[in-house]
Formats: sequence, structure tokens, C-alpha cells
Amino acid sequence: AQSVAQPEDQVNVAEGNPLTVKCTYSVSGNPYLFWYVQYPNRGLQFLLKYITGDNLVKGSYGFEAEFNKSQTSFHLKKPSALVSDSALYFCAVRDGNTGGFKTIFGAGTRLFVKA
Amino acid sequence: GAVVSQHPSRVICKSGTSVKIECRSLDFQVTTMFWYRQFPKQSLMLMATSNEGSKATYEQGVEKDKFLINHASLTLSTLTVTSAHPEDSSFYICSANRGDTGELFFGEGSRLTVL
Repeated sequence: AQSVAQPEDQVNVAEGNPLTVKCTYSVSGNPYLFWYVQYPNRGLQFLLKYITGDNLVKGSYGFEAEFNKSQTSFHLKKPSALVSDSALYFCAVRDGNTGGFKTIFGAGTRLFVKA
Repeated sequence: GAVVSQHPSRVICKSGTSVKIECRSLDFQVTTMFWYRQFPKQSLMLMATSNEGSKATYEQGVEKDKFLINHASLTLSTLTVTSAHPEDSSFYICSANRGDTGELFFGEGSRLTVL
């Protein structure tokens, strides 16, 4: 069974500063890893994913994430935060060995970017 | 633009009534859709996998007689909350894959309030 942990309920950062939102995962097969963002009362939007290849993946809105197999982590980063980045961020994992598209989500981390 | 459409976005009903939520894939066909429930403190819980032409697969702890899922066509899945109670009040979100890219596309969500 797969699981995802997002250890921080909330992350606060000043505009212009770098941000990191943490994620660790557990999966028995090959991990397919994703980040999604959610704005109030909306569905989730895809940001980026790691399936295979380079450990550093770049996604929408200047976000990137680094896959670290030894630490089973997939932290989301951005070099310079914007106030408009304030939202709820979800890390998710799928077991690439089992087939299908069942995806398990972390509990979410709320990001506040202060002007 | 949106690739998954969900309706209604908000619904208020009386206790004991049933409510149907529709999820449509736009411009693409899917054999599998996923229904999630989001609780007030953020977490996104997978309720069930909707399978076109066959029975839905429910996650442990989800009452299949309470949450009826029908995937009648390759573009439509419905979730019916039967005999709704106030504790069923929540934000329900559907999702689907397009192709084999891995990421999910989400509907805008449906906020159910049971009085």
C-alpha cells in the first residue's frame, strides 16, 4: 500500500524568499510522484510530476521538485515566492508497478506568502 | 480549459434526501474515474474508483450503499449520496486520467451541505 506524509500543516514565507514544502512517501513498487495545488473551493490543479529520468523536475508557475530515492522524499520548491502562490498544496503518489491510476494524497500543506 | 466538469458546484439538501453529483470528462473518454472527499481540515480521502461498465471499487470504510457510484458511459460518472445526513456534508471531488500521462485532472468539486 502507498502512503504520503506532508509533515507541515502550514508554511509561512515572505514574498521573494525561497519556499520549500516537504513530502515523503512510501510505496512498494516504482513511485510516481505528483504535486497539486488547490485554491479555495476549487478542484485541484496539477503542478508537476516525477515518473522517471532526472531527479529534478520543473513544473508550472516556476515550481520544481526533487526526487530523492534514498530519503523517499519529493519536496516542492520555488526560488522566489509570490503572494499569489498562497494556496493548499498536495503531494501524491501512485504505485507505478501495479498499473491503474489509483493515487493517494497527503494531508496537504497550506502555504502563506506574505507581501 | 477544464477537462473534467463537475456539477453541481454547491448543493443544500434536507436530511434523509438523496443527492446526485455528476462528473464528466470533456473531449476524452475514460474507463476509470476517482471520487474523493475532502474534509474540513484539508485531507483528501479516496472514496472509490468508478469503473465504466462494471461495479465501482470502494476503499475500506466507505459505505457502498450510502455512496452509490455509476459509471454509465465513457464520459460520465455519478456519485449519489443516499439518505443524506449532516455528517455527509463535505466537499466531493472527482478526477480522471487522460491518456497515460499519469496525472489526474480534477473537477471543480461539489460542496454538499445537509441540513
